Amino acid sequence: NAGVTQTPKFQVLKTGQSMTLQCAQDMNHEYMSWYRQDPGMGLRLIHYSVGAGITDQGEVPNGYNVSRSTTEDFPLRLLSAAPSQTSVYFCASSYEGAGQGGYEQYFGPGTRLTVT
Amino acid sequence: AQSVAQPEDQVNVAEGNPLTVKCTYSVSGNPYLFWYVQYPNRGLQFLLKYITGDNLVKGSYGFEAEFNKSQTSFHLKKPSALVSDSALYFCAVRDLYSSASKIIFGSGTRLSIRP
Repeated sequence: NAGVTQTPKFQVLKTGQSMTLQCAQDMNHEYMSWYRQDPGMGLRLIHYSVGAGITDQGEVPNGYNVSRSTTEDFPLRLLSAAPSQTSVYFCASSYEGAGQGGYEQYFGPGTRLTVT
Repeated sequence: AQSVAQPEDQVNVAEGNPLTVKCTYSVSGNPYLFWYVQYPNRGLQFLLKYITGDNLVKGSYGFEAEFNKSQTSFHLKKPSALVSDSALYFCAVRDLYSSASKIIFGSGTRLSIRP
């Protein structure tokens, strides 16, 4: 299994440009999330999904859109990039098993985004 | 709403000494609690979790954590620190009744182990 994969690894955008950060997982996990990591602020939840076709907003959703057309993929779209969106973005997936199995998140390697 | 506090930005410990990284949480129901570690320029790696049962949970690399419901805490501990434990540590919480995808993270604690 490749686990959780993210592309691209690095990206530089100009203010106002749009782009999509890709996230895919091959573990058949129901649950997926997007976080951004900024110095001193930890990880903040942007959007999350509990299954194909179902998404919801996290702590900092403004300026971002998501969709979940398949179990495997959970892309994050920046509609009009702003310097405040300069950050490292992480995608994660998880499942709920029987008893205490599951619940923890598996993280991708991250995408480092710079908006100039 | 769920929230997590890691009151120390940095913890410094000498190699061989015990270490503690503090975490307190706030949820409306019963919590699911997690610890993750991040090495430089890497993603997050899962260390351990509390879902239910024994309040003392053991995880990877010799780490353990104790769930204390009355103090709403879930401190990470290790009896004898290694230089290789130096990294950024995150505590995270999920409310039992919230979505499995809605896990909230603390701001992180940088652990530095000196030789």
